[in-house]
Amino acid sequence: AQKITQTQPGMFVQEKEAVTLDCTYDTSDPSYGLFWYKQPSSGEMIFLIYQGSYDQQNATEGRYSLNFQKARKSANLVISASQLGDSAMYFCAMREVNNDYKLSFGAGTTVTVRA
Amino acid sequence: NAGVTQTPKFQVLKTGQSMTLQCAQDMNHNSMYWYRQDPGMGLRLIYYSASEGTTDKGEVPNGYNVSRLNKREFSLRLESAAPSQTSVYFCASSEGSSGTFYGYTFGSGTRLTVV
Repeated sequence: AQKITQTQPGMFVQEKEAVTLDCTYDTSDPSYGLFWYKQPSSGEMIFLIYQGSYDQQNATEGRYSLNFQKARKSANLVISASQLGDSAMYFCAMREVNNDYKLSFGAGTTVTVRA
Repeated sequence: NAGVTQTPKFQVLKTGQSMTLQCAQDMNHNSMYWYRQDPGMGLRLIYYSASEGTTDKGEVPNGYNVSRLNKREFSLRLESAAPSQTSVYFCASSEGSSGTFYGYTFGSGTRLTVV
Protein backbone atom coordinates (compact mmCIF):
# COMPACT_ATOMS: atom_id res chain seq x y z
CA ALA A 1 0.00 0.00 0.00
CA GLN A 2 1.20 3.46 -0.84
CA LYS A 3 2.39 5.22 2.28
CA ILE A 4 2.79 8.67 0.76
CA THR A 5 0.37 10.05 -1.81
CA GLN A 6 1.01 13.15 -3.86
CA THR A 7 -1.97 13.63 -6.15
CA GLN A 8 -0.66 16.55 -8.21
CA PRO A 9 1.78 15.36 -10.89
CA GLY A 10 2.39 18.90 -12.11
CA MET A 11 1.48 22.47 -11.23
CA PHE A 12 1.97 25.92 -12.67
CA VAL A 13 2.26 28.99 -10.49
CA GLN A 14 2.79 32.64 -11.27
CA GLU A 15 5.91 34.28 -9.91
CA LYS A 16 5.36 35.93 -6.51
CA GLU A 17 2.23 33.89 -5.83
CA ALA A 18 1.90 31.15 -3.22
CA VAL A 19 1.49 27.49 -4.11
CA THR A 20 0.34 24.54 -2.03
CA LEU A 21 1.57 21.03 -2.71
CA ASP A 22 -0.60 18.24 -1.35
CA CYS A 23 0.68 15.25 0.58
CA THR A 24 -1.27 12.61 2.45
CA TYR A 25 0.27 9.73 4.32
CA ASP A 26 -0.74 6.43 5.77
CA THR A 27 0.61 5.14 9.06
CA SER A 28 -0.58 3.54 12.26
CA ASP A 29 2.58 4.52 14.05
CA PRO A 30 2.14 7.27 16.66
CA SER A 31 5.72 8.44 16.13
CA TYR A 32 6.79 9.54 12.67
CA GLY A 33 8.50 12.35 10.85
CA LEU A 34 7.46 14.08 7.65
CA PHE A 35 9.92 15.66 5.23
CA TRP A 36 9.83 17.66 2.04
CA TYR A 37 12.66 17.56 -0.48
CA LYS A 38 13.24 19.64 -3.59
CA GLN A 39 14.84 18.21 -6.73
CA PRO A 40 15.77 20.86 -9.32
CA SER A 41 16.55 19.93 -12.90
CA SER A 42 20.18 19.44 -11.94
CA GLY A 43 19.06 16.35 -10.03
CA GLU A 44 20.25 16.79 -6.47
CA MET A 45 17.91 16.22 -3.53
CA ILE A 46 17.63 19.24 -1.25
CA PHE A 47 16.03 19.02 2.19
CA LEU A 48 13.43 21.73 2.76
CA ILE A 49 11.43 21.17 5.93
CA TYR A 50 10.61 18.67 8.67
CA GLN A 51 7.53 18.06 10.83
CA GLY A 52 7.44 15.63 13.72
CA SER A 53 4.21 13.83 14.58
CA TYR A 54 4.27 15.23 18.10
CA ASP A 55 5.06 18.78 17.10
CA GLN A 56 2.28 21.11 18.16
CA GLN A 57 3.06 23.86 15.70
CA ASN A 58 3.39 23.78 11.95
CA ALA A 59 6.99 23.85 10.77
CA THR A 60 8.30 26.87 8.89
CA GLU A 61 11.61 27.49 7.10
CA GLY A 62 11.83 30.83 5.36
CA ARG A 63 9.33 30.81 2.48
CA TYR A 64 8.39 27.20 3.17
CA SER A 65 5.73 26.15 5.63
CA LEU A 66 4.14 22.84 6.31
CA ASN A 67 0.40 22.68 6.89
CA PHE A 68 0.20 19.68 9.21
CA GLN A 69 -3.27 18.25 9.79
CA LYS A 70 -2.66 15.15 11.86
CA ALA A 71 -6.23 13.88 12.02
CA ARG A 72 -6.50 14.05 8.25
CA LYS A 73 -2.98 12.61 7.81
CA SER A 74 -2.09 15.52 5.63
CA ALA A 75 1.23 17.39 5.37
CA ASN A 76 0.92 19.99 2.63
CA LEU A 77 3.86 22.18 1.66
CA VAL A 78 3.20 25.87 1.11
CA ILE A 79 5.71 27.93 -0.84
CA SER A 80 5.07 31.63 -0.48
CA ALA A 81 6.15 34.33 -2.93
CA SER A 82 7.24 31.85 -5.61
CA GLN A 83 10.46 32.51 -7.47
CA LEU A 84 11.67 31.20 -10.81
CA GLY A 85 14.24 29.15 -8.91
CA ASP A 86 11.43 27.24 -7.20
CA SER A 87 10.73 25.39 -10.44
CA ALA A 88 11.56 21.80 -9.50
CA MET A 89 10.18 18.43 -8.48
CA TYR A 90 9.04 18.27 -4.86
CA PHE A 91 8.88 15.08 -2.83
CA CYS A 92 7.01 14.38 0.38
CA ALA A 93 8.55 11.66 2.55
CA MET A 94 7.87 9.94 5.86
CA ARG A 95 10.03 8.17 8.40
CA GLU A 96 8.28 5.79 10.81
CA VAL A 97 9.35 3.79 13.79
CA ASN A 98 7.40 0.75 12.55
CA ASN A 99 9.13 0.88 9.18
CA ASP A 100 12.55 0.57 10.75
CA TYR A 101 12.97 4.33 10.41
CA LYS A 102 13.37 4.09 6.64
CA LEU A 103 12.33 7.08 4.55
CA SER A 104 9.40 6.43 2.19
CA PHE A 105 8.74 8.83 -0.68
CA GLY A 106 5.74 9.97 -2.64
CA ALA A 107 5.77 10.11 -6.44
CA GLY A 108 6.52 13.81 -6.46
CA THR A 109 4.96 17.00 -7.83
CA THR A 110 6.57 19.08 -10.55
CA VAL A 111 6.22 22.82 -10.00
CA THR A 112 6.80 25.27 -12.82
CA VAL A 113 6.98 28.95 -11.91
CA ARG A 114 5.97 31.34 -14.68
CA ALA A 115 7.35 34.87 -14.98
CA ASN B 1 32.92 19.89 1.16
CA ALA B 2 31.20 17.56 3.63
CA GLY B 3 28.56 15.35 2.14
CA VAL B 4 27.84 12.20 0.19
CA THR B 5 29.95 11.41 -2.87
CA GLN B 6 28.75 9.02 -5.55
CA THR B 7 30.69 7.69 -8.49
CA PRO B 8 30.26 7.50 -11.38
CA LYS B 9 27.77 10.22 -12.35
CA PHE B 10 26.84 8.58 -15.63
CA GLN B 11 27.19 5.03 -16.91
CA VAL B 12 26.01 3.05 -19.92
CA LEU B 13 26.06 -0.73 -19.63
CA LYS B 14 25.21 -3.52 -21.97
CA THR B 15 22.72 -6.12 -20.83
CA GLY B 16 24.51 -8.72 -18.74
CA GLN B 17 27.44 -6.54 -17.75
CA SER B 18 28.23 -5.93 -14.12
CA MET B 19 29.25 -2.81 -12.29
CA THR B 20 29.58 -1.31 -8.83
CA LEU B 21 28.29 2.08 -7.81
CA GLN B 22 30.40 3.66 -5.12
CA CYS B 23 29.21 5.87 -2.28
CA ALA B 24 31.15 7.55 0.49
CA GLN B 25 30.12 9.99 3.22
CA ASP B 26 32.32 12.10 5.44
CA MET B 27 29.77 13.15 8.06
CA ASN B 28 30.35 10.19 10.38
CA HIS B 29 26.78 9.06 9.77
CA ASN B 30 25.74 5.64 10.98
CA SER B 31 23.14 4.76 8.37
CA MET B 32 23.42 4.59 4.60
CA TYR B 33 20.88 3.89 1.88
CA TRP B 34 20.58 3.17 -1.83
CA TYR B 35 17.52 4.37 -3.74
CA ARG B 36 16.47 4.26 -7.35
CA GLN B 37 14.35 6.96 -8.96
CA ASP B 38 12.05 6.21 -11.86
CA PRO B 39 9.58 8.61 -13.49
CA GLY B 40 6.26 8.77 -11.68
CA MET B 41 7.43 6.48 -8.87
CA GLY B 42 9.42 8.68 -6.57
CA LEU B 43 12.42 7.14 -4.85
CA ARG B 44 12.31 3.48 -3.93
CA LEU B 45 14.66 1.90 -1.42
CA ILE B 46 16.90 -0.84 -2.76
CA TYR B 47 19.10 -1.69 0.25
CA TYR B 48 20.16 0.01 3.42
CA SER B 49 22.70 -0.30 6.18
CA ALA B 50 21.50 0.86 9.57
CA SER B 51 25.01 0.67 10.99
CA GLU B 52 28.45 -0.52 10.03
CA GLY B 53 28.41 -4.28 9.57
CA THR B 54 24.70 -4.61 8.80
CA THR B 55 22.74 -4.53 5.57
CA ASP B 56 19.06 -5.14 4.84
CA LYS B 57 16.79 -5.33 1.85
CA GLY B 58 14.52 -2.50 0.96
CA GLU B 59 11.51 -2.35 -1.31
CA VAL B 60 13.20 -3.36 -4.60
CA PRO B 61 16.34 -5.44 -3.87
CA ASN B 62 16.15 -7.98 -6.71
CA GLY B 63 19.15 -7.83 -9.04
CA TYR B 64 21.33 -5.90 -6.59
CA ASN B 65 23.86 -6.56 -3.88
CA VAL B 66 25.49 -4.20 -1.41
CA SER B 67 28.58 -3.99 0.74
CA ARG B 68 29.10 -1.75 3.74
CA LEU B 69 32.85 -1.60 3.45
CA ASN B 70 33.33 0.57 6.53
CA LYS B 71 31.47 3.36 8.24
CA ARG B 72 32.13 5.74 5.34
CA GLU B 73 31.48 3.57 2.31
CA PHE B 74 28.45 1.72 0.99
CA SER B 75 28.59 0.20 -2.51
CA LEU B 76 25.83 -1.12 -4.76
CA ARG B 77 26.57 -3.89 -7.25
CA LEU B 78 24.64 -4.96 -10.31
CA GLU B 79 25.82 -8.46 -11.12
CA SER B 80 24.06 -8.83 -14.48
CA ALA B 81 22.51 -5.60 -15.63
CA ALA B 82 19.07 -5.60 -17.23
CA PRO B 83 17.26 -2.82 -19.13
CA SER B 84 14.77 -2.64 -16.21
CA GLN B 85 17.62 -1.35 -14.07
CA THR B 86 17.90 1.79 -16.17
CA SER B 87 17.32 4.46 -13.56
CA VAL B 88 18.86 7.22 -11.50
CA TYR B 89 20.49 5.86 -8.37
CA PHE B 90 20.90 7.86 -5.20
CA CYS B 91 22.99 7.10 -2.16
CA ALA B 92 22.02 8.75 1.10
CA SER B 93 23.21 8.81 4.67
CA SER B 94 21.63 9.63 8.00
CA GLU B 95 23.06 10.40 11.40
CA GLY B 96 20.81 7.93 13.16
CA SER B 97 18.72 4.93 12.28
CA SER B 98 16.52 5.08 15.36
CA GLY B 99 14.91 8.48 15.27
CA THR B 100 12.16 9.80 13.05
CA PHE B 101 13.66 13.28 13.10
CA TYR B 102 16.89 12.44 11.30
CA GLY B 103 16.78 13.54 7.71
CA TYR B 104 18.86 12.12 4.93
CA THR B 105 21.74 13.70 3.05
CA PHE B 106 21.79 12.63 -0.58
CA GLY B 107 24.54 12.20 -3.10
CA SER B 108 24.23 13.81 -6.52
CA GLY B 109 23.03 10.62 -8.18
CA THR B 110 24.19 8.18 -10.85
CA ARG B 111 22.33 8.06 -14.13
CA LEU B 112 22.55 4.47 -15.36
CA THR B 113 21.40 3.29 -18.77
CA VAL B 114 21.32 -0.40 -19.64
CA VAL B 115 21.05 -1.14 -23.36
